[in-house]
Amino acid sequence: EADIYQTPRYLVIGTGKKITLECSQTMGHDKMYWYQQDPGMELHLIHYSYGVNSTEKGDLSSESTVSRIRTEHFPLTLESARPSHTSQYLCASSHGSLHQPQHFGDGTRLSIL
Amino acid sequence: AQTVTQSQPEMSVQEAETVTLSCTYDTSESDYYLFWYKQPPSRQMILVIRQEAYKQQNATENRFSVNFQKAAKSFSLKISDSQLGDAAMYFCARTQGGSEKLVFGKGTKLTVNP
Repeated sequence: EADIYQTPRYLVIGTGKKITLECSQTMGHDKMYWYQQDPGMELHLIHYSYGVNSTEKGDLSSESTVSRIRTEHFPLTLESARPSHTSQYLCASSHGSLHQPQHFGDGTRLSIL
Repeated sequence: AQTVTQSQPEMSVQEAETVTLSCTYDTSESDYYLFWYKQPPSRQMILVIRQEAYKQQNATENRFSVNFQKAAKSFSLKISDSQLGDAAMYFCARTQGGSEKLVFGKGTKLTVNP
């Protein structure tokens, strides 16, 4: 099992709230990723980081933001949640060498009412 | 857009039998990596197998093997001696633009019947 942890697993919250989804890994991986996955659909990359203080937007536009202050921690924040943000969010990490497999967390299922 | 296509939304197989999941992709690159990931219900997505495009030899991992046809841009997954624990969503993915970014297919839901 990969040592990457996401909290909370499930979150139901009202519109307009600020939300932070946590992701931590204990493998010392330089690279970390956030994906958005709607039910029965493919994963879409929304953010990634190749190291501390490095963050980039992914292919799918997202109103969320991320930070990478520590190697092991890659939180995702929504400043004002909306129903359109309802989805599953998956965090992943990989070793620094090129094209290493990504290790995934359990995901956070987010529902905005 | 560079896409990954899994044409089988759902597949089923009898326990102990063999099943093949299909995947095709679009790319203009010569060097890239291909992956199959497994996502069991409410559990972590895990790597099943990885293939480097410049290697002609098909990757194998125990009961899992791939049929990689580079010219046809095809990357199918064969599961032999299927087990109940193989039931999951299976996603095909490829690296994008020489980077670590992955492009995923829509997935195939595999059911294993006892």
